[in-house]
Amino acid sequence: NAGVTQTPKFRVLKTGQSMTLLCAQDMNHEYMYWYRQDPGMGLRLIHYSVGEGTTAKGEVPDGYNVSRLKKQNFLLGLESAAPSQTSVYFCASSYWLAGGRYNSYNEQFFGPGTRLTVL
Amino acid sequence: GNSVTQMEGPVTLSEEAFLTINCTYTATGYPSLFWYVQYPGEGLQLLLKATKADDKGSNKGFEATYRKETTSFHLEKGSVQVSDSAVYFCALSDQTSYDKVIFGPGTSLSVIP
Repeated sequence: NAGVTQTPKFRVLKTGQSMTLLCAQDMNHEYMYWYRQDPGMGLRLIHYSVGEGTTAKGEVPDGYNVSRLKKQNFLLGLESAAPSQTSVYFCASSYWLAGGRYNSYNEQFFGPGTRLTVL
Repeated sequence: GNSVTQMEGPVTLSEEAFLTINCTYTATGYPSLFWYVQYPGEGLQLLLKATKADDKGSNKGFEATYRKETTSFHLEKGSVQVSDSAVYFCALSDQTSYDKVIFGPGTSLSVIP
């Protein structure tokens, strides 16, 4: 049981290049997320998906696209990388536990991160 | 809307010192509360959680009690170790926004021998 995996772990791009980050989960979770983490900025949600074939914008979606063609995979694309996209990217998957008024929650499981540098 | 506020870091403590990291929240529903920990170079992982008022979550010597009257979920540990050096995130989930988790900004902890 690998949990949430991310590919690649590190990448250096030149401005204007494109790339795709892959996230895979083997826990059969419905929900998947892409975050970026920058010094002093905490975690910021880029895009997320509540099921296969669905995507939604998060807090900072500009410059990124996503696809969820299979339930276990969530891809993050950068069409034309910019230095402002230098960051550590985390994928997460989760489920909604419907346990009534006092025991319902969304618990997220994170991947190890991808460190991206755009020169 | 829902929000989470944490104490500013970084926090530096000597080994065996007592740790408190403050967390307060604003929520419209019946939130569940979490503490996540991020060790250097890794992703976040769940440390503990509490799903209703007065519940206490605990794990690895850390504890946090869900206080509805003060809308708080402070993280405590009686004696920290160097291996506890990490970033700690307070987080909230509730039924009004079931598809997202609201994270606090994180508090960096360094424990020195």
